[in-house]
Amino acid sequence: SQTIHQWPATLVQPVGSPLSLECTVEGTSNPNLYWYRQAAGRGLQLLFYSVGIGQISSEVPQNLSASRPQDRQFILSSKKLLLSDSGFYLCAWTSGTTDTQYFGPGTRLTVL
Amino acid sequence: GESVGLHLPTLSVQEGDNSIINCAYSNSASDYFIWYKQESGKGPQFIIDIRSNMDKRQGQRVTVLLNKTVKHLSLQIAATQPGDSAVYFCAENRGYSTLTFGKGTMLLVSP
Repeated sequence: SQTIHQWPATLVQPVGSPLSLECTVEGTSNPNLYWYRQAAGRGLQLLFYSVGIGQISSEVPQNLSASRPQDRQFILSSKKLLLSDSGFYLCAWTSGTTDTQYFGPGTRLTVL
Repeated sequence: GESVGLHLPTLSVQEGDNSIINCAYSNSASDYFIWYKQESGKGPQFIIDIRSNMDKRQGQRVTVLLNKTVKHLSLQIAATQPGDSAVYFCAENRGYSTLTFGKGTMLLVSP
């Protein structure tokens, strides 16, 4: 069966520091991968999605970036974090043949 | 722009009651809809989905109804349990393998 992992689970970073969040999927090949951010008590904002290695689509302009160095690995990065980057970051995947997205456990990021 | 929204931000029910969570969508071209459940501090969990060629779909204790005429989606939970307490999101496909999510409804179940 398919499994999606995210790490770290929790992260506290100072303003201006870099960021790297990782997401990996097991049990499937060539998945579509997604990064979302969720502010406290709010809905899900799509940040990036990828339909293949090296292919990244950005939904909103911001100081975040994404990369997909391997088929089942999706990385969210920032060179300098802002206070407004705090939130709950979720990775999701689909098989590419269906629109149903399955989510990882999330990373809680606090920028101080 | 296109959006998916919810009528009620919070729904409080008693254990054993049936719960109904509603969702309005604006993109008449959407052909696929999903309901997710999100517990505090966790990622959203798939509950049930429905395609636009259907009006109703049933799962275990859950039923999704789709009314394309008024662009309305609902999730019915039978015999609601305390473990059903969570935020529920509806989502619609918007093309390019992406989804648009609603703002969410908090379901509170009292024992």
